[in-house]
Amino acid sequence: GAVVSQHPSWVICKSGTSVKIECRSLDFQATTMFWYRQFPKQSLMLMATSNEGSKATYEQGVEKDKFLINHASLTLSTLTVTSAHPEDSSFYICSAVAYRGRNSPLHFGNGTRLTVT
Amino acid sequence: SQKIEQNSEALNIQEGKTATLTCNYTNYSPAYLQWYRQDPGRGPVFLLLIRENEKEKRKERLKVTFDTTLKQSLFHITASQPADSATYLCALAPNSGYALNFGKGTSLLVTP
Repeated sequence: GAVVSQHPSWVICKSGTSVKIECRSLDFQATTMFWYRQFPKQSLMLMATSNEGSKATYEQGVEKDKFLINHASLTLSTLTVTSAHPEDSSFYICSAVAYRGRNSPLHFGNGTRLTVT
Repeated sequence: SQKIEQNSEALNIQEGKTATLTCNYTNYSPAYLQWYRQDPGRGPVFLLLIRENEKEKRKERLKVTFDTTLKQSLFHITASQPADSATYLCALAPNSGYALNFGKGTSLLVTP
């Protein structure tokens, strides 16, 4: 159980274009989803917290107008990288929890490798 | 500032031995600490959660200890196998929230 599907698994786009990444919880309802970014040999960096039906909460230093997050249902959250630039190239990973709480394990998708040329 | 530190050097051990990974943290008051496994190009997978009032937690060949005085957790894999080769991440929730912060992870390589 607790499967999170992320799509696409990889994408190459040209500088200036936008890319949408989908994150779905397949067998549970996710009250909260988190978006992380990971650079090679680095830790996962939390970008934003997404609660169903409300605006996402962004971490300090993450541009909310550049990384648009929508959590329209209990099973789907999307991250759109707008006007992508080469420095946005990274590994983006979503995760979901069925219930809020500091003891909640995170269920991760398999990530999206974004390359901006 | 809050920090989660894991040994950045890769750990190479021989099959059958016990692997021990360390996680140290500062400026956290965690009620829980979690360990995840991450394979290359994949998302992390939850392994174990240990509470602050638990000294030790076991799951099959895995054992986690949690010392809130030392601000440290140790992660052990006994009878290690090549399939255990991966990066292992330590994670904590910040004092004011519940999103997890992760250490950089320790890469484990188990050789036959």
